[in-house]
Amino acid sequence: GAGVSQSPSNKVTEKGKDVELRCDPISGHTALYWYRQRLGQGLEFLIYFQGNSAPDKSGLPSDRFSAERTGESVSTLTIQRTQQEDSAVYLCASSLDGLETQYFGPGTRLLVL
Amino acid sequence: EDKVVQSPLSLVVHEGDTVTLNCSYEVTNFRSLLWYKQEKKAPTFLFMLTSSGIEKKSGRLSSILDKKELFSILNITATQTGDSAVYLCAVFGNEKLTFGTGTRLTIIP
Repeated sequence: GAGVSQSPSNKVTEKGKDVELRCDPISGHTALYWYRQRLGQGLEFLIYFQGNSAPDKSGLPSDRFSAERTGESVSTLTIQRTQQEDSAVYLCASSLDGLETQYFGPGTRLLVL
Repeated sequence: EDKVVQSPLSLVVHEGDTVTLNCSYEVTNFRSLLWYKQEKKAPTFLFMLTSSGIEKKSGRLSSILDKKELFSILNITATQTGDSAVYLCAVFGNEKLTFGTGTRLTIIP
């Protein structure tokens, strides 16, 4: 596709439920990043994929968060047993060969009630 | 711990004014510094800087990096209401981007 796409664009869930967020990077981009942005705060790095492997998972806030990437394309970020503090916009970005210029998707706005 | 600090946190100016946004950083294994403009949800890429002293320009926007003093500035001349946004600075190092909290710029018509 022309750009990074994410789905769903909005998600409202109840506390304790699991959610899965999807990211489709720009075709041919080998690097993929997940970020979280809470209301009024800066971007928070979550995880980085180079191909299908994740050399840096240091940003994942707890073991309720996991991410995978298959076929060097689509990535899913899963949050288990959601908590209200998980409410945020989750942004995905991709870059070519892990170069620094990252192109962001529109984000998924998650609201945990 | 890697750190990126932006100033001011917010700025309100009149249309036509010139603004300078600041970004200082402490990042190990520095590779580059990036500026983004964020409106609504997703940031849009403005500049990537890797070398000191070389100004990058795009229309009314320009940016320069000082790797000795560990900072960058983003200049916007002849501001317009469409420039109102949060401007994010990020530094790439250690295989990840570290973001500042941004400068919220508001342009009054």
